Amino acid sequence: GAVVSQHPSWVICKSGTSVKIECRSLDFQATTMFWYRQFPKQSLMLMATSNEGSKATYEQGVEKDKFLINHASLTLSTLTVTSAHPEDSSFYICSACLFLSSYNEQFFGPGTRLTVL
Amino acid sequence: QKEVEQNSGPLSVPEGAIASLNCTYSDRGSQSFFWYRQYSGKSPELIMSIYSNGDKEDGRFTAQLNKASQYVSLLIRDSQPSDSATYLCAGRGYYGGATNKLIFGTGTLLAVQP
Repeated sequence: GAVVSQHPSWVICKSGTSVKIECRSLDFQATTMFWYRQFPKQSLMLMATSNEGSKATYEQGVEKDKFLINHASLTLSTLTVTSAHPEDSSFYICSACLFLSSYNEQFFGPGTRLTVL
Repeated sequence: QKEVEQNSGPLSVPEGAIASLNCTYSDRGSQSFFWYRQYSGKSPELIMSIYSNGDKEDGRFTAQLNKASQYVSLLIRDSQPSDSATYLCAGRGYYGGATNKLIFGTGTLLAVQP
């Protein structure tokens, strides 16, 4: 159990276009999902907390108008990178929170590798 | 100031040995801790969760938590080359109240030599 999927797994786009990434919890409901970004050889950077039915909470320094998050259902959150530029090229990973125990464990999706030309 | 600290490594151990990975944290309010394994180019995979002082064992893995010393460790027995990866330590954030945000260390690169 506790499987999280992401789509697409990789995407290449031209500068200025928008890219939507989907994150789904396949076998559990997730009221809270998280979006991370990871540059090569660096650690995970939390971008935002996505809460079902409410606005996302963005970390300091993350542009909310550039990285649009929609958590429309208990199993789906989407991240849209608007007007992408080469500096947005990165590995984007979502995680979903499983509220079954005191741990509230987070399970990660496989990630989406974005390359902006 | 970093809230979860790990030695970046690489930590090199021979096959069959015990690998010991360590992590310290600064937020005394953190109650739950997690170890994730991340292979190069892949996303993190949850290995262990721990929130009580002491040891927790799962197969070849043992997580240890010492809240007084603010110290978390992961022991991997009978290390295999397939264990070679970056191991991320994470604590659940506590910002005046429990949250679900995880604070990650920068990770320790483990290399198991055949």
